[in-house]
Amino acid sequence: GIQVEQSPPDLILQEGANSTLRCNFSDSVNNLQWFHQNPWGQLINLFYIPSGTKQNGRLSATTVATERYSLLYSSSSQTTDSGVYFCAVSGGYGGATNKLIFGTGTLLAVQP
Amino acid sequence: EPEVTQTPSHQVTQMGQEVILHCVPISNHLYFYWYRQILGQKVEFLVSFYNNEISEKSEIFDDQFSVERPDGSNFTLKIRSTKLEDSAMYFCASSVDRYEQFFGPGTRLTVL
Repeated sequence: GIQVEQSPPDLILQEGANSTLRCNFSDSVNNLQWFHQNPWGQLINLFYIPSGTKQNGRLSATTVATERYSLLYSSSSQTTDSGVYFCAVSGGYGGATNKLIFGTGTLLAVQP
Repeated sequence: EPEVTQTPSHQVTQMGQEVILHCVPISNHLYFYWYRQILGQKVEFLVSFYNNEISEKSEIFDDQFSVERPDGSNFTLKIRSTKLEDSAMYFCASSVDRYEQFFGPGTRLTVL
C-alpha cells in the first residue's frame, strides 16, 4: 500500500514565525488532505489538495503530484496553531480505494 | 456549515462488554467511514460503507466489529466484546464522493 512520510516529526516555533511541513507519498494519489488535530483530539480539515496550490488565511498548501509530495505553509504562527498536523492520502495502483492512509504527523508547538 | 456528529464523546466500558458508537454523517453524503487512533499513534482506517454495504475493511476490522446504517441518518460502529487494546479514539467520517472526507469530533473509548 501507499506509504506516507511526514517531516519534521516535531517543530518548535516562536509566535510570529513561519513554517513549512512536508508530506511525501510513495504512489499516485487521487486524494490528499491536510488535518490539524487540536489538543482535544479533534481532526480539523485544513485542505483537500490532490494537486495544485490553495490558500486559506495564514495557511497555504501545495501538492506536486508528479513528484509525490505536498507542503503545508504557515505564516505568522500563533499559539493556537499548536497541535499535530497530519497528511492523509488515498489512491495507489488502479485508484480503487478511497480509504485514507495517514502519515505519522508533525507535532507543532508555538511558544509565546 | 454541516458537520459530522458523534456520540458519546467519551465511553468507558468493561472488557468483554459490547459498545455501540454513534455517528450522524453530513446529510447529502453517500460514503461513510470509521477510523481509530490509539493514543500517541497515527489514525488508522477501519471500514468504509457505501450503498448500504461495506466497500472496504482493514485487517483490524475483524468479526468483533460491525457497522450499520439503521435509518437514513445514523451510522453506527459496534464492538461485540471489547478488549483492552480497543481503547482508542474512534472517528467517523463521511464524503459526498470518493474524495474529500469530513471527520467527526471522535469518541474516546476506554476499556477497563
